[in-house]
Amino acid sequence: KAGVTQTPRYLIKTRGQQVTLSCSPISGHRSVSWYQQTPGQGLQFLFEYFSETQRNKGNFPGRFSGRQFSNSRSEMNVSTLELGDSALYLCASSWGSYSPNSPLHFGNGTRLTVT
Amino acid sequence: DAKTTQPPSMDCAEGRAANLPCNHSTISGNEYVYWYRQIHSQGPQYIIHGLKNNETNEMASLIITEDRKSSTLILPHATLRDTAVYYCIVRVMGTSGSRLTFGEGTQLTVNP
Repeated sequence: KAGVTQTPRYLIKTRGQQVTLSCSPISGHRSVSWYQQTPGQGLQFLFEYFSETQRNKGNFPGRFSGRQFSNSRSEMNVSTLELGDSALYLCASSWGSYSPNSPLHFGNGTRLTVT
Repeated sequence: DAKTTQPPSMDCAEGRAANLPCNHSTISGNEYVYWYRQIHSQGPQYIIHGLKNNETNEMASLIITEDRKSSTLILPHATLRDTAVYYCIVRVMGTSGSRLTFGEGTQLTVNP
C-alpha cells in the first residue's frame, strides 16, 4: 500500500511569489492535514481537510490556504512568500474519523526555500 | 491537549532496550498517548498509542502508569536505524481531529 506522497520534494522560490504544494493521501483516507516544520518553531499544525471541507485550522495568516478534491488529494498554497516561510511542509492523512484507531500517517514533506 | 515533557536527548547501545520516558501530568481522562518518531529529513512515523492499558505492536511497547501521568516507550532491541527524534503526544479524540501538538521530543542516538 502506497504511503502519503508529496510533490515536489524540494522547491526554491523568491520572496513575493506564491507556491502550491501537493499531497496524495493513502488510498481510502479521507482526512488530509498539513503541518509546517521549522528549526525555531518545530512542528506546527496548519489545517485539516475532510470531505473537501476545512475542518480545523491552526494559527497561521491568511496567506496560507488549502483545498481538498473529491478524490481526497489536497493542495496547499502560500501567497506572497516571505523568507520566514522557508520550512519543511508535511502532509498527513488518516481515515478521518475521530476514532483513536485512526492515527496520522505523514509524507516525507516538501522542503521550501524562499530567497 | 495536555502538555508533555520529555528529556531532550538519550543514548542507547545497539541491541539493548531503549526506554523513552514522557511526563503528561495534566492528562485528562479522554486523552490518548501517541508516540511518533522522525528520522532526519523524513516525515514523522506513527509508532504506537494507548489510553490506559499497556500496548505492544511490532515496533514497540507502551507502558502507561496507573495514574496515567507518565508513560514509557520501549524499543526492545534498538538498532542504528532507530536513531531519531521521538515525540510523545497526548490527544483528545473529538473536535481536535487531526490536530497534533508536537513538543521538542527526545533525540535518541543508538550507538554501535
